[in-house]
Amino acid sequence: NAGVTQTPKFQVLKTGQSMTLQCAQDMNHNSMYWYRQDPGMGLRLIYYSASEGTTDKGEVPNGYNVSRLNKREFSLRLESAAPSQTSVYFCASSTALASGNSYEQYFGPGTRLTVT
Amino acid sequence: KNEVEQSPQNLTAQEGEFITINCSYSVGISALHWLQQHPGGGIVSLFMLSSGKKKHGRLIATINIQEKHSSLHITASHPRDSAVYICAASGGGADGLTFGKGTHLIIQP
Repeated sequence: NAGVTQTPKFQVLKTGQSMTLQCAQDMNHNSMYWYRQDPGMGLRLIYYSASEGTTDKGEVPNGYNVSRLNKREFSLRLESAAPSQTSVYFCASSTALASGNSYEQYFGPGTRLTVT
Repeated sequence: KNEVEQSPQNLTAQEGEFITINCSYSVGISALHWLQQHPGGGIVSLFMLSSGKKKHGRLIATINIQEKHSSLHITASHPRDSAVYICAASGGGADGLTFGKGTHLIIQP
């Protein structure tokens, strides 16, 4: 099993450009998440999806859109990148359902994005 | 919104020392997670606990629900334990995690 995979690993964008970060998991997990990690701020939740076809905003959703394409894949799109979106982005997945118990989260290797 | 605080922010110790990292949170939770992030960036889940104590090898995690406090202990620390340790709170179900800012641990030989 590959676990959680993310592409690309690194990306440099100019202000105003768009791009999509891809995430896939092969663990048949129900829930998937996008976090960003910034120095001094820790990790913060951008969006999450409790099941295929559903998505919800997290703490810092502005400037991002997401798609839960199917159970395996959850993509994050930046429509018009800004320097404030320079960060390391982590995708994660969990067997958790929309309500009920908490479960361990499994993280992808991260995408380092720089917006100039 | 849950506030998750960790201490200390930075910790340098000698090999063999007993290490304690503390985490407190402001509102009730479903579970508390301890994560490890090595240089190079990968994040690995160490523990998830909602009560009591868990142990994996030299790592021990405890939680006191009434006091909204958790600790991560490392016994007989080793240079390979050098990493950032992050605690995170989950409210239950598919809710995302709320993270502390991490503790940067360096174990010197």
